Amino acid sequence: DVKVTQSSRYLVKRTGEKVFLECVQDMDHENMFWYRQDPGLGLRLIYFSYDVKMKEKGDIPEGYSVSREKKERFSLILESASTNQTSMYLCASSYRGEKTEAFFGQGTRLTVV
Amino acid sequence: GESVGLHLPTLSVQEGDNSIINCAYSNSASDYFIWYKQESGKGPQFIIDIRSNMDKRQGQRVTVLLNKTVKHLSLQIAATQPGDSAVYFCAERRGSYIPTFGRGTSLIVHP
Repeated sequence: DVKVTQSSRYLVKRTGEKVFLECVQDMDHENMFWYRQDPGLGLRLIYFSYDVKMKEKGDIPEGYSVSREKKERFSLILESASTNQTSMYLCASSYRGEKTEAFFGQGTRLTVV
Repeated sequence: GESVGLHLPTLSVQEGDNSIINCAYSNSASDYFIWYKQESGKGPQFIIDIRSNMDKRQGQRVTVLLNKTVKHLSLQIAATQPGDSAVYFCAERRGSYIPTFGRGTSLIVHP
């Protein structure tokens, strides 16, 4: 089975802190994604990566950056955490191809105080 | 911009009934659609998919219908069970690999 693992289930950080959310997948997927999930807004794409060291902005990239130094690992970075970044963060991965579903991690619930 | 949305935020059904969850999409160029199920405390999980050259696809107790004329997608769950209680998302493929998600519908199954 595909496994996408996020390093933390719950995080509490202070405003202004630099926050790292880590995601690892074990299926050699080319594509990796970071979404945030908020009530009533569904899943919104922050960033995605289609290869090592490649990244592209999604719909809401402001306040975030990403890093993909290895194929299996995709990190989301909050440069200076703010309270409006309190949310559930979901990492996903997929094969590159015509018909491919995304596989999700269990999510990281981040609270910024 | 293009969007994927759901008609109803919450659907309540009795155990044993059939459930129908609807989704509207606006990107006429989308060629691949997926339904996901998200249980409490978990990430979304793949249920079933359909390509735009099909209008119906069946899985185990689930059927997805695609109406390209009105840009509408639905998920039918037969004989709904308490374990089906979850939030259901439809997603369309944008470009070659990026899934865009709707807001989700919460399905509540009453015993």
